[in-house]
Amino acid sequence: GEDVEQSLFLSVREGDSSVINCTYTDSSSTYLYWYKQEPGAGLQLLTYIFSNMDMKQDQRLTVLLNKKDKHLSLRIADTQTGDSAIYFCAESGGANTGTASKLTFGTGTRLQVTL
Amino acid sequence: EPEVTQTPSHQVTQMGQEVILRCVPISNHLYFYWYRQILGQKVEFLVSFYNNEISEKSEIFDDQFSVERPDGSNFTLKIRSTKLEDSAMYFCASNGRPSQPQHFGDGTRLSIL
Repeated sequence: GEDVEQSLFLSVREGDSSVINCTYTDSSSTYLYWYKQEPGAGLQLLTYIFSNMDMKQDQRLTVLLNKKDKHLSLRIADTQTGDSAIYFCAESGGANTGTASKLTFGTGTRLQVTL
Repeated sequence: EPEVTQTPSHQVTQMGQEVILRCVPISNHLYFYWYRQILGQKVEFLVSFYNNEISEKSEIFDDQFSVERPDGSNFTLKIRSTKLEDSAMYFCASNGRPSQPQHFGDGTRLSIL
């Protein structure tokens, strides 16, 4: 079955860049997502990338996809204390209408931003 | 911006009791999902729903679980006879097409005593 792996913890200083990594096994993954979860809160969609893209940039966020190695990364530029949260990588394979497409989540990376 | 809303935010139930978790997906969305997250663990898929029927369900979604769209706005998850191990955060999500990102509610924390 599908599997998505992430490192558990990352600590960075405020103002530095953070890079959160994710690997996945399903070669038919069509979309890859990054969600943010703050303590006690729900899952906030940050950004996503289609599998035929290599890179996507959205303000402070840059997503890089290496489809050959099945590796996805999220770079947060100028990391702020408000970025402290758990970041989940997720993949889905479906793009067909008429069939709902489940998300398979990684274990989550806890990002700690220090002053 | 439209949101997925879930109620209640926290549900405490005695083991063996039935519980219904409620969700109102985004109004023009057609695909609906339930996920759960046991404390400290990853988010796990439970079930997806489209066109008034289950599209896919995981091994977790056994006979104790059921879903329903009783009207044009609500999407519910029922656990018939709760067990201690059902304690978790339950998230509802929806999207307009499978190719679109799923938008999540804030979750219902279910505590089984």
